Amino acid sequence: DAMVIQNPRYQVTQFGKPVTLSCSQTLNHNVMYWYQQKSSQAPKLLFHYYDKDFNNEADTPDNFQSRRPNTSFCFLDIRSPGLGDAAMYLCATRTGSTDTQYFGPGTRLTVL
Amino acid sequence: AQKITQTQPGMFVQEKEAVTLDCTYDTSDQSYGLFWYKQPSSGEMIFLIYQGSYDEQNATEGRYSLNFQKARKSANLVISASQLGDSAMYFCAMREPRGDSSYKLIFGSGTRLLVRP
Repeated sequence: DAMVIQNPRYQVTQFGKPVTLSCSQTLNHNVMYWYQQKSSQAPKLLFHYYDKDFNNEADTPDNFQSRRPNTSFCFLDIRSPGLGDAAMYLCATRTGSTDTQYFGPGTRLTVL
Repeated sequence: AQKITQTQPGMFVQEKEAVTLDCTYDTSDQSYGLFWYKQPSSGEMIFLIYQGSYDEQNATEGRYSLNFQKARKSANLVISASQLGDSAMYFCAMREPRGDSSYKLIFGSGTRLLVRP
């Protein structure tokens, strides 16, 4: 089945130690998003790619970076995780011609 | 600025009964889209239903229907014949106007639904 896959599902890192979260999709969608969702809150968009064009939200900290080497894969890099970065990270995709975003299962990040 | 409001932080419903989750929105745009997503405790966001602002009919998907009242700016989700598996957090969301490459979803604060056996 076509889907959005996120690895790992659970990630534990240490304060200040760089971490990379991965998202892949078999939907061939040209738009990919990264959201951060803290406990009991709504998801908050960090950035997205429209094809190769990167769009950063104005309030996304510089500590968060992203790479999209090809249509199928997108990575979220957290350069120096702080305790406040512990959250669920959700990847979503959509085609450029439709409205609906399809989400992956998320990666739950713990920072020790 | 666009805004989504969900005024019910938590709700209970008896199994097999219907339940309505409220959502109101604020936008000055003529073209917009409204979504409902379900988020179980596992964390994944599951797309349920979509309503475009120009759609004349209320959207339906199986047991889910969207009660769209444009003049009142409301887009309530109705779940018929509730099942235990419907227990989850439900988010109402809105997109920015079509054609904007920076389109994103704006979410409400969510409603946690608990289905009682």
